[in-house]
Amino acid sequence: GAGVSQSPRYKVAKRGQDVALRCDPISGHVSLFWYQQALGQGPEFLTYFQNEAQLDKSGLPSDRFFAERPEGSVSTLKIQRTQQEDSAVYLCASSLRGRGIEQFFGPGTRLTVL
Amino acid sequence: QKEVEQNSGPLSVPEGAIASLNCTYSDRGSQSFFWYRQYSGKSPELIMFIYSNGDKEDGRFTAQLNKASQYVSLLIRDSQPSDSATYLCAVKDFGNEKLTFGTGTRLTIIP
Repeated sequence: GAGVSQSPRYKVAKRGQDVALRCDPISGHVSLFWYQQALGQGPEFLTYFQNEAQLDKSGLPSDRFFAERPEGSVSTLKIQRTQQEDSAVYLCASSLRGRGIEQFFGPGTRLTVL
Repeated sequence: QKEVEQNSGPLSVPEGAIASLNCTYSDRGSQSFFWYRQYSGKSPELIMFIYSNGDKEDGRFTAQLNKASQYVSLLIRDSQPSDSATYLCAVKDFGNEKLTFGTGTRLTIIP
């Protein structure tokens, strides 16, 4: 079956622009995660959804970052007024509910802010 | 202090030898431990997870966990050039779904 998909794969934004990154999780996966991976670093947690409920947003770095999953499947990560420090790969992962061990990662969106 | 510590490497190992990757974590409440492999420009993929003290073997890979020392390791036997990648250690706390990753260790297998 299809894995986690993300779009766009690459995004170049001018500083101050708003961007929207999309994630399509594996069908039937209840849990969805967003991570940010800077160059040479490990992924850092941003936020977590169970179905449409955003249960943890403790990793969002500022109020410019906003995520939603209105129907419990596709999720969008929005970054307003992008800054150069937002340049990173944004990874989406999904997993089965609760006892599910493995988080399956999508290919990521590489965001470059000029 | 970072919660999950790894030596960033690079770690160079001859083909056919054993590669040993190490990870320490600071939170004693950590419950589950994961090793992900990430090829350059690709997304992380799970190799193994472990949550009980001791060793867990899967093919050429062995994960070792020592909760008293807050230490988890990954051994790769009979290393192959295709094992060259960055290996990420991640931990999950009880009651928490998120993964906390280390910075990763870059492994190069030399033919």
